[in-house]
Amino acid sequence: DAMVIQNPRYQVTQFGKPVTLSCSQTLNHNVMYWYQQKSSQAPKLLFHYYDKDFNNEADTPDNFQSRRPNTSFCFLDIRSPGLGDAAMYLCATSREVGGYTFGSGTRLTVV
Amino acid sequence: AQTVTQSQPEMSVQEAETVTLSCTYDTSESDYYLFWYKQPPSRQMILVIRQEAYKQQNATENRFSVNFQKAAKSFSLKISDSQLGDAAMYFCAYRSANYGGSQGNLIFGKGTKLSVKP
Repeated sequence: DAMVIQNPRYQVTQFGKPVTLSCSQTLNHNVMYWYQQKSSQAPKLLFHYYDKDFNNEADTPDNFQSRRPNTSFCFLDIRSPGLGDAAMYLCATSREVGGYTFGSGTRLTVV
Repeated sequence: AQTVTQSQPEMSVQEAETVTLSCTYDTSESDYYLFWYKQPPSRQMILVIRQEAYKQQNATENRFSVNFQKAAKSFSLKISDSQLGDAAMYFCAYRSANYGGSQGNLIFGKGTKLSVKP
């Protein structure tokens, strides 16, 4: 089945140690998104790629970076995770219009 | 800028009963999409139902239906014959039909937590 896959499902990282979360899709959607979701809150958009064009939200911290080496894969890099970065990170894909398809998310714990 | 408002932080329904979740939105656009997403404790966001603004007919998916009032900018979700598996956080979301920069991004409400009592 066509889907969005996020790895790992759970990630524990040390304070200040760089960490990378991955997302892959088999839907051939040209738009990919990264959201941060903290407990009992709505997802917050960090950035998205329209094909290879990177779009950063104005309030996304510089600590967060992203890479999209090809249509299928997208990575979220957190250069120096702080305790406040502990959250669920959701990857989603879409075409230019219509709905999004979400992955299962990666729950990040910072110790 | 578009906004989405869900005024009910929490709702509760008895199993087999019907419940309606409210959502209002604000936009100056005429062409857009509205969605209801379900997020159970496992945390995967699942699309429940979708409505295109140009369609007057309300969308229906099995036990889930919407009441789309374009003039009032209201988009409520009705869940009939509620089941224990319906317990989740429900997010109302808006997306412009005009893609350009951030215009095509999904805008979420704050969510409504639905509990289902056996």
